Amino acid sequence: DQQVKQNSPSLSVQEGRISILNCDYTNSMFDYFLWYKKYPAEGPTFLISISSIKDKNEDGRFTVFLNKSAKHLSLHIVPSQPGDSAVYFCAASATSGTYKYIFGTGTRLKVLA
Amino acid sequence: KAGVTQTPRYLIKTRGQQVTLSCSPISGHRSVSWYQQTPGQGLQFLFEYFSETQRNKGNFPGRFSGRQFSNSRSEMNVSTLELGDSALYLCASSLVQGAQETQYFGPGTRLLVL
Repeated sequence: DQQVKQNSPSLSVQEGRISILNCDYTNSMFDYFLWYKKYPAEGPTFLISISSIKDKNEDGRFTVFLNKSAKHLSLHIVPSQPGDSAVYFCAASATSGTYKYIFGTGTRLKVLA
Repeated sequence: KAGVTQTPRYLIKTRGQQVTLSCSPISGHRSVSWYQQTPGQGLQFLFEYFSETQRNKGNFPGRFSGRQFSNSRSEMNVSTLELGDSALYLCASSLVQGAQETQYFGPGTRLLVL
């Protein structure tokens, strides 16, 4: 049972436009969410996080939106740059849970120059 | 500060063999988690160690085991290797244990089982 889902395995966006990556979760106990970026041959790199007490968190070109009622979060990258081309993973955790983070299967973003 | 390091970076083994992977966390980090990444499966949580004790465990068979040393370095062992164990094994460290602690990942060890 995949508790964190990234239904789009890939996404292509023109340079300068907005990239929107989506993530859905099923466990209502999740209260902390993160996005990681992964380049080939490297480990995932932390991008941005959001706690369930917020519905938006912004860091430079990256903004994460959380819709608790829909159990949905999204990562917006504006403007997209070729260097953003990577695989993006969302992850979720529950403060009261016995596990660490549950990761989605990833979305490969390609930013076209 | 040096990041998370993992050794070896690449490994080729045959079915039935065993393998030990090593992870050195960021200095001062006491929590180490291990993940398996395979195509289409994302990152699957293996286990987490904190202060030399296994605190959390994912849904993997007993062939997968680990340990943590007093200096927070961690090792992961897989016995009786199967073809399906071919994957990228990632180690992540965090300062303390907690569901809202950011994890920092190493580059991974890519294991190929023939």
